[in-house]
Amino acid sequence: SYELTQPPSVSVSPGQTASITCSGDKLGDKYACWYQQKPGQSPVLVIYQDTKRPSGIPERFSGSASGNAATLTISETQAMDEADYYCQAWDSSIAGVFGTGTKVTVL
Amino acid sequence: QVQLVQSGADVKKPGASVKVSCKVSGYTLSDLSMHWVRQAPGKGLEWMGGFDPEDGETLYAQKFQGRVTMTEDTSTDTAYMELNNLRSEDTAVYYCAADDYGDYAFDYWGPGTLVTVSS
Repeated sequence: SYELTQPPSVSVSPGQTASITCSGDKLGDKYACWYQQKPGQSPVLVIYQDTKRPSGIPERFSGSASGNAATLTISETQAMDEADYYCQAWDSSIAGVFGTGTKVTVL
Repeated sequence: QVQLVQSGADVKKPGASVKVSCKVSGYTLSDLSMHWVRQAPGKGLEWMGGFDPEDGETLYAQKFQGRVTMTEDTSTDTAYMELNNLRSEDTAVYYCAADDYGDYAFDYWGPGTLVTVSS
């Protein structure tokens, strides 16, 4: 079965840049999206189709994808960005697989 | 604005079935691709299945095939997810999640329904 692997945790200082990589076989050939989930809340879409940002999502969230990886970058990280982040990919062969999740801590 | 309202928490015994509902407001269910995602306590997100607009069919994750059924009542704009033969490992929060552009991104999420399986 298809798997998407993320680092379990990422730490970042306020105002610095955090990057989360999602790895999967030929992931760059599929559309990836990213969700933010804070404790006790439902997930929120922050990036779709690799690089697009839904309305209302701050510009400091950006995405990229190439080869076997997709990356979520949070620029000028704020305390409110502390959350779990999940990548997800979709194509006809794998349907809707989620990544393992990354806990972002803002120190 | 799309809102998804889910049914309340439920407790089931092993071997039983559970049916979770998700009512859409602010949009028409037939214009959405509805999916179901679950999250066990302290664990990650797990896609269970959903509508694929490209081929017009509901797809189920292999793990749940034969045990899950997802249906829709367009007259009431309500989606349902029924999971059979419950076991303790099915204890989780179950979310409905909607894709409004057919781009396989879940733009809207329900608040989640906690299903507890316990004898």
